Amino acid sequence: GAVVSQHPSRVICKSGTSVKIECRSLDFQATTMFWYRQFPKQSLMLMATSNEGSKATYEQGVEKDKFLINHASLTLSTLTVTSAHPEDSSFYICSARFTTGSSTDTQYFGPGTRLTVL
Amino acid sequence: ILNVEQSPQSLHVQEGDSTNFTCSFPSSNFYALHWYRWETAKSPEALFVMTLNGDEKKKGRISATLNTKEGYSYLYIKGSQPEDSATYLCASPTDSWGKLQFGAGTQVVVTP
Repeated sequence: GAVVSQHPSRVICKSGTSVKIECRSLDFQATTMFWYRQFPKQSLMLMATSNEGSKATYEQGVEKDKFLINHASLTLSTLTVTSAHPEDSSFYICSARFTTGSSTDTQYFGPGTRLTVL
Repeated sequence: ILNVEQSPQSLHVQEGDSTNFTCSFPSSNFYALHWYRWETAKSPEALFVMTLNGDEKKKGRISATLNTKEGYSYLYIKGSQPEDSATYLCASPTDSWGKLQFGAGTQVVVTP
């Protein structure tokens, strides 16, 4: 149980285009979803937290107009990278959780999306 | 310590040998410590969530200990097998809502 899918797994796009990444909880309702970014040899960095039906909460330094997050249902969250540039090339990964707020609840991760902006 | 740090960055283990590695985390305002195993091209898999000082958790040949006073956790792999090859991540919540701060991981390669 607790399976999270992410699509696409890889995407290559031209500079200036927008890219949408989907994160789905397949067998549970995800009250909270998280989006992370990972640069090579670095740790997963939290970008934003989204609760179903609410606006996402972005971490300091993350541009909310560039990284649009929508969590319209309990099983789907999307991250749209708007007007992507080469510096946005990275590995993006989502996670989902049953609850809205608990430090001990497990986050279940998708397999991630490798974004390359040419 | 302000960040979550893991050491070593990578290690190579001979099949059958045991190994261990460290996660250091801020000891002030401690909430919990999460361990994940991340195999290449797969999703990170939750291993343990630890909360109590002195706690020890076990899952098969993998176990973990926790010292919240000094801010570290050890993860042990007993009798390593090639299928244990993965990157092991630890993460510490920065608040009671559970926003996780991750370490960079320890990459374990088990060779036959």
